[in-house]
Amino acid sequence: GAVVSQHPSRVICKSGTSVKIECRSLDFQATTMFWYRQFPKKSLMLMATSNEGSKATYEQGVEKDKFLINHASLTLSTLTVTSAHPEDSSFYICSANRDSNQPQHFGDGTRLSIL
Amino acid sequence: AQTVTQSQPEMSVQEAETVTLSCTYDTSESDYYLFWYKQPPSRQMILVIRQEAYKQQNATENRFSVNFQKAAKSFSLKISDSQLGDAAMYFCAYQSSTGTASKLTFGTGTRLQVTL
Repeated sequence: GAVVSQHPSRVICKSGTSVKIECRSLDFQATTMFWYRQFPKKSLMLMATSNEGSKATYEQGVEKDKFLINHASLTLSTLTVTSAHPEDSSFYICSANRDSNQPQHFGDGTRLSIL
Repeated sequence: AQTVTQSQPEMSVQEAETVTLSCTYDTSESDYYLFWYKQPPSRQMILVIRQEAYKQQNATENRFSVNFQKAAKSFSLKISDSQLGDAAMYFCAYQSSTGTASKLTFGTGTRLQVTL
């Protein structure tokens, strides 16, 4: 069964609104979670590393104020797309692992569509 | 920074035949992990196989096996007895074994078609 749960699976909203995506580790504690973005027919690009109890580490070119990450507990990280625009439409997917020597488990992803 | 290259955007294989997907990577590290992930149309990311760089023996998982050539920095995936359900995007990925952050670096993917 799934060990990482991501919610919602699909979001359609108007331009200018903010959208929150949740990523939960179901049966293990994750001090670190990862957020990826995937454009159609493209690979996964790491956006940021979510660190429990501290600030997220963003990859070069990713706007911190646009993509807010909060990792308030050992089982939950959230990604908030603020003031969303059509160009933010994409597939967002999170991952986590039990420890750094274990493979990543991925959520099922969130398809975000901004009208 | 590490890079992962998949030079085959698309591959096709007949059912029951064998296909090999290529992957090369670049790193200055001596210890790391390599993965193959499968992404079907549902877009779930499914772990296919994992290789630890310090292990010389090639990893195998049922019909899936790898040819890991550390010196050449090559990590190909062989799928034997291909099935229709194997049709998907396949991503090769690299993960450093140092430090606490275990982020993945992905290749651009290979789309595998399985024909009757």
